[in-house]
Amino acid sequence: DQQVKQNSPSLSVQEGRISILNCDYTNSMFDYFLWYKKYPAEGPTFLISISSIKDKNEDGRFTVFLNKSAKHLSLHIVPSQPGDSAVYFCAASGREGAQKLVFGQGTRLTINP
Amino acid sequence: DAGVTQSPTHLIKTRGQHVTLRCSPISGHKSVSWYQQVLGQGPQFIFQYYEKEERGRGNFPDRFSARQFPNYSSELNVNALLLGDSALYLCASSLGAHNEKLFFGSGTQLSVL
Repeated sequence: DQQVKQNSPSLSVQEGRISILNCDYTNSMFDYFLWYKKYPAEGPTFLISISSIKDKNEDGRFTVFLNKSAKHLSLHIVPSQPGDSAVYFCAASGREGAQKLVFGQGTRLTINP
Repeated sequence: DAGVTQSPTHLIKTRGQHVTLRCSPISGHKSVSWYQQVLGQGPQFIFQYYEKEERGRGNFPDRFSARQFPNYSSELNVNALLLGDSALYLCASSLGAHNEKLFFGSGTQLSVL
């Protein structure tokens, strides 16, 4: 039972353009959502998060949007840079345990020069 | 400042053997969580420990166990290894028990032959 889904295994974007990564969830008890970035041979690194009481959170080039009625969130990166090439994981947590993050399968983002 | 450190980085075992993985959290962090990442999937929650007590357990068999020491470091033990236990094992630390913003180590790559 995949409670958090990232349906695009990979995404290729030209440098300078916008990258949009998508994530869907099924559990309505999730109330906090995070995006992590992972480079090869490194652990995931926290990128940005959003609480279920908000519908948008922005941090520099990164913006996360949350649509609770659709159980969908997205990460926008603009402008995309070559260093953004990595695997991006969407994660969610609920009231039962904040550190029991449920991760999606990941999306490999490649930024082309 | 040192991040989350895990040892060993790589490990090869045979079926039926036992393995111990080690994790040192970021200084000042009292919570440690363990995740298993199988190739092509997102990390999956195994355990959380806070102040030496188990605070959460994922859907893993009793062959998996863990503990946290007075200095907040942690060990993950897996008995009677199966081929399906081959994965990247990630340790994450955070300041408190309910802080979703986890800091991950680079992981231990376990191969079971």
